[in-house]
Amino acid sequence: DGGITQSPKYLFRKEGQNVTLSCEQNLNHDAMYWYRQDPGQGLRLIYYSQIVNDFQKGDIAEGYSVSREKKESFPLTVTSAQKNPTAFYLCASKVGRDDYTFGSGTRLTVV
Amino acid sequence: QKEVEQNSGPLSVPEGAIASLNCTYSDRGSQSFFWYRQYSGKSPELIMFIYSNGDKEDGRFTAQLNKASQYVSLLIRDSQPSDSATYLCAVNFSGGYNKLIFGAGTRLAVHP
Repeated sequence: DGGITQSPKYLFRKEGQNVTLSCEQNLNHDAMYWYRQDPGQGLRLIYYSQIVNDFQKGDIAEGYSVSREKKESFPLTVTSAQKNPTAFYLCASKVGRDDYTFGSGTRLTVV
Repeated sequence: QKEVEQNSGPLSVPEGAIASLNCTYSDRGSQSFFWYRQYSGKSPELIMFIYSNGDKEDGRFTAQLNKASQYVSLLIRDSQPSDSATYLCAVNFSGGYNKLIFGAGTRLAVHP
């Protein structure tokens, strides 16, 4: 079955540590997105990529970095510069005009 | 100015009633509008999308779009307790790179 796989489901980060969230899709979608969701809030766009080796900052990119070396993969690194990283992170991909698929999310907690 | 605005709720309706959820957006050039349902701790599920002014119906759900007023709404008829969730309005903003922007969501509670 085609879809988006996010791993891990739960992640714990120590203060000052970088962590990487994985997002893999086998849908052959060109566009991929990372969103952050805080409790009681909507999704806020962190980074997005329309094609391999190209990505754009979203609304809250500070403290995050991404790469898009392969079509299937769009990992997100939460760096130590992100002062409040505890949140629910969602990866999505898109094909065509508006056919979005979401992963099941990674819940990141700072300990 | 927030790009996509929704009332946070909670919106409480009795079982069997019509729930009305509203959303406004700032980008006049937007062409695609979405309603997602999200249960706590889960990823959003697409309910409907709408592109043209007017109404679009799918089962118990009706999306309404008014581009002149930059307003989109979702009606849920015969509301059920299982409809209790957060409803997210999303707009595909125009520009060189299309990006889906979400509102903060409206929490709906359907009580028996």
